Amino acid sequence: GQNIDQPTEMTATEGAIVQINCTYQTSGFNGLFWYQQHAGEAPTFLSYNVLDGLEEKGRFSSFLSRSKGYSYLLLKELQMKDSASYLCAALDSNYQLIWGAGTKLIIKP
Amino acid sequence: ETGVTQTPRHLVMGMTNKKSLKCEQHLGHNAMYWYKQSAKKPLELMFVYNFKEQTENNSVPSRFSPECPNSSHLFLHLHTLQPEDSALYLCASSQQEGTGSYEQYFGPGTRLTVT
Repeated sequence: GQNIDQPTEMTATEGAIVQINCTYQTSGFNGLFWYQQHAGEAPTFLSYNVLDGLEEKGRFSSFLSRSKGYSYLLLKELQMKDSASYLCAALDSNYQLIWGAGTKLIIKP
Repeated sequence: ETGVTQTPRHLVMGMTNKKSLKCEQHLGHNAMYWYKQSAKKPLELMFVYNFKEQTENNSVPSRFSPECPNSSHLFLHLHTLQPEDSALYLCASSQQEGTGSYEQYFGPGTRLTVT
């Protein structure tokens, strides 16, 4: 079957760095997405990786290892507004997104 | 503002009611999706429309009935729902072909409560 695993909840301190891991098993693979979802709001796109390696975009970076079925989202210089759920999703062979349950990130002052 | 709007934002309905959720995208995309989001669960894909044709129906009960009159509008008709159908219903759109980009843009969702 198809499965995405990510931690349920993480806590970090303002100004610090946090890494949110995601492992996936899908029927075929066409890339890995990360979305951010604030409480009561729509998920918004953060990153898309299809090749191995690290993609950096400001304070956020995303890494992919296709051979390991593994990705992580790295958030630097954490701000209180980064408190949100972070959703990992893999694009399968039919180009449909398979979603994880999301990681709730709590930022403390 | 993602370019995808949904109405209503909140809906409370009884199990015998009939209601409809509406989604509209202003992005020129050719694919639209309905998702169900329950607390602490992955997003559940319900229906996919590509160029107005339904391409996915992931074993959704018949009390949910989608309608896609054109590539910009998507409806979800609801009737005789159960309390376990209470959830956030999200609409999304994407450009499935031509761009190589499969990013989905989401609307703000309809928070549905079935009493």
